[in-house]
Amino acid sequence: EVLLEQSGAEVKKPGESLKISCKGSGYSFNNYWIGWVRQMPGKGLEWMGIIYPDVSKTTYSPSFQGQVTISVDKSIDTAYLQWSSLKASDTAIYYCARRGGGSRSYFPFWGQGTLVTVSS
Amino acid sequence: SYVLTQPPSVSVAPGQTARITCGGHDIGGKSVHWYQQTPGQAPVLVVHSDSDRPSGIPDRFSGSNSGNTATLTISRVEAGDEADYYCQVWESGSDHYVFGTATKVTVL
Repeated sequence: EVLLEQSGAEVKKPGESLKISCKGSGYSFNNYWIGWVRQMPGKGLEWMGIIYPDVSKTTYSPSFQGQVTISVDKSIDTAYLQWSSLKASDTAIYYCARRGGGSRSYFPFWGQGTLVTVSS
Repeated sequence: SYVLTQPPSVSVAPGQTARITCGGHDIGGKSVHWYQQTPGQAPVLVVHSDSDRPSGIPDRFSGSNSGNTATLTISRVEAGDEADYYCQVWESGSDHYVFGTATKVTVL
């Protein structure tokens, strides 16, 4: 069974750094793209970026390029999303999602989401 | 960047048919996927590749795609279908993924 287990909720202050995680299991972690999706309170889904773990090839949405960093640690089958300086507007639920294999451009598997609250 | 436009809301009586549209320039040339999200839950894929259903999704969910509009159809609507629905495509040229603006389905 494919599972994506995300790290727990975070409460941070503006200007602080943060790294949240997404651990994959039940499949060959290195060989499937993992994406990150933001959902601000009461709003829709926004694609942030995606990474191919085997070679750490990464693509970012223009809206998030330079604002966040996506990375992986293949040794522990875990993907990360990190901020160097949080803003109040980063308050949202962040989902990781595994893409289908090959040319399948959809996301059949999702993590449970990580709530990030940024407040002074 | 590519934009996908959905109606903000659709209301339907139980047992009737709900149709949710997703508009985009020449979307018929792309592969469209649909997700259902209930409050407090992660999205769930209900239709992929325009009209295919993942295992476990009832055949009441179907999809079509042509021209500038893709459509998710929910037949014999049940109370449990009340949720937000999102369309999604992949832009091969830019290697970017795009979600639609979401449609809230209300079962009357």
